[in-house]
Amino acid sequence: AQKVTQAQTEISVVEKEDVTLDCVYETRDTTYYLFWYKQPPSGELVFLIRRNSFDEQNEISGRYSWNFQKSTSSFNFTITASQVVDSAVYFCALSEEAAGNKLTFGGGTRVLVKP
Amino acid sequence: DAMVIQNPRYQVTQFGKPVTLSCSQTLNHNVMYWYQQKSSQAPKLLFHYYDKDFNNEADTPDNFQSRRPNTSFCFLDIRSPGLGDAAMYLCATAESGYEQYFGPGTRLTVT
Repeated sequence: AQKVTQAQTEISVVEKEDVTLDCVYETRDTTYYLFWYKQPPSGELVFLIRRNSFDEQNEISGRYSWNFQKSTSSFNFTITASQVVDSAVYFCALSEEAAGNKLTFGGGTRVLVKP
Repeated sequence: DAMVIQNPRYQVTQFGKPVTLSCSQTLNHNVMYWYQQKSSQAPKLLFHYYDKDFNNEADTPDNFQSRRPNTSFCFLDIRSPGLGDAAMYLCATAESGYEQYFGPGTRLTVT
C-alpha cells in the first residue's frame, strides 16, 4: 500500500530564511509520481511540481527546489529566502499507476513565515 | 482565468436537509475528483469519474452521491447532511495520469 509521511507538522521561520520540508514515501509500484501542493489560507490547493519515478533529477523553479532521492524514498522541498506569502500548508502526495493514479497525501506541513 | 470553478464558495445547510455542490472545468480533462477536507487534515478522496465511469472509494458513506452530466460539470449531493459532514469540499480535474488541478473549494456548514 502507498503511504506518504511528512514528519514536520509545523515550521516557523523568519523572512529570508531557507526552509526545507521533508517527505518520505512508501510504494511497491515501480511507476509512480510524486507531487507537492501548496494550500494557502484561502483553501485552494495549488499544484507546484510533479516528478515521475524514473526521473531523479533535482529541479529548481525560482525560490523553490526539490530533491528526489529514490535510495531513501524521499522527495524534499526547499524554499529559499522565504517570504510572508509562502505561509501555507504544503502537502506532498504520491500516485501509483497501478492504483489508477489516485493521490495519497501526506499529513501536510504548515509553514509560518514571520516578517 | 478560472479553470476549476466551484459554487457556492460557502454553503450553510440544516441538519438532514439535502445539499448539492457544483464543480465545473474549462480544461476539458477526462477525470474529475471530489475530496473532503476537514480542519488540519489532508484531503480525503470521496470518489472520481474517469470520463463517465464512476469510482467510489470503499469508505465513502452512502450519504454522498455524485453526478457528472457532461465533461465540464460534476455535482456532489449530500442526501442527509450530519454535523460530521461539515468540511471543505474540493473538486479537482486531471488528464489521466497527470497532475490534478483543484478548485477553490466549498466550505460547508451544517447547523
